[in-house]
Amino acid sequence: EAGVTQFPSHSVIEKGQTVTLRCDPISGHDNLYWYRRVMGKEIKFLLHFVKESKQDESGMPNNRFLAERTGGTYSTLKVQPAELEDSGVYFCASSPDGSYEQYFGPGTRLTVT
Amino acid sequence: RKEVEQDPGPFNVPEGATVAFNCTYSNSASQSFFWYRQDCRKEPKLLMSVYSSGNEDGRFTAQLNRASQYISLLIRDSKLSDSATYLCVVSKPDAGNNRKLIWGLGTSLAVNP
Repeated sequence: EAGVTQFPSHSVIEKGQTVTLRCDPISGHDNLYWYRRVMGKEIKFLLHFVKESKQDESGMPNNRFLAERTGGTYSTLKVQPAELEDSGVYFCASSPDGSYEQYFGPGTRLTVT
Repeated sequence: RKEVEQDPGPFNVPEGATVAFNCTYSNSASQSFFWYRQDCRKEPKLLMSVYSSGNEDGRFTAQLNRASQYISLLIRDSKLSDSATYLCVVSKPDAGNNRKLIWGLGTSLAVNP
């Protein structure tokens, strides 16, 4: 069974540019989570989808971040315009309905210069 | 105060040693507890869930003290391959049944030959 995949693995962009991260969860997993780890800090929750609906987006830093999950399958996280403090590793995780166990993707390392 | 606190280490131990990690959490409503392992530049992976009665998986033993809001992980007969960062994680479902994970900063372990 394929795991959670994320694209790209790395992205280097300039301040003010736009970047879109993609996550493909494990097939059949209704729950999809985005997390972020900024260097030297804890991994932080960003938001949670149940199928195509945003269940909780309390962790989204500001309105420069937009997450979507079209058709309840893959998800995208767009940062527009990117700022220096957005640099970090963005992890996506998925879990089946009713489970606490979350399976993580390899992450996207975003560097904003 | 951080929601989940861990000693960041690093812990440097020889092969075969026993090492213990501790973690405290601030939200008494937390219901689920985990230890994740993260290798350098990789995604976090679930090591084990932590149950109230304590649980063991091979060389790993996890314990939970709800009264003290304290979680521990014991690794016996440590191997070189145990070198990693160990992340203490808690979860509390909210009204929407969101099971977002709250992370500690992690404790770094280096097992030396």
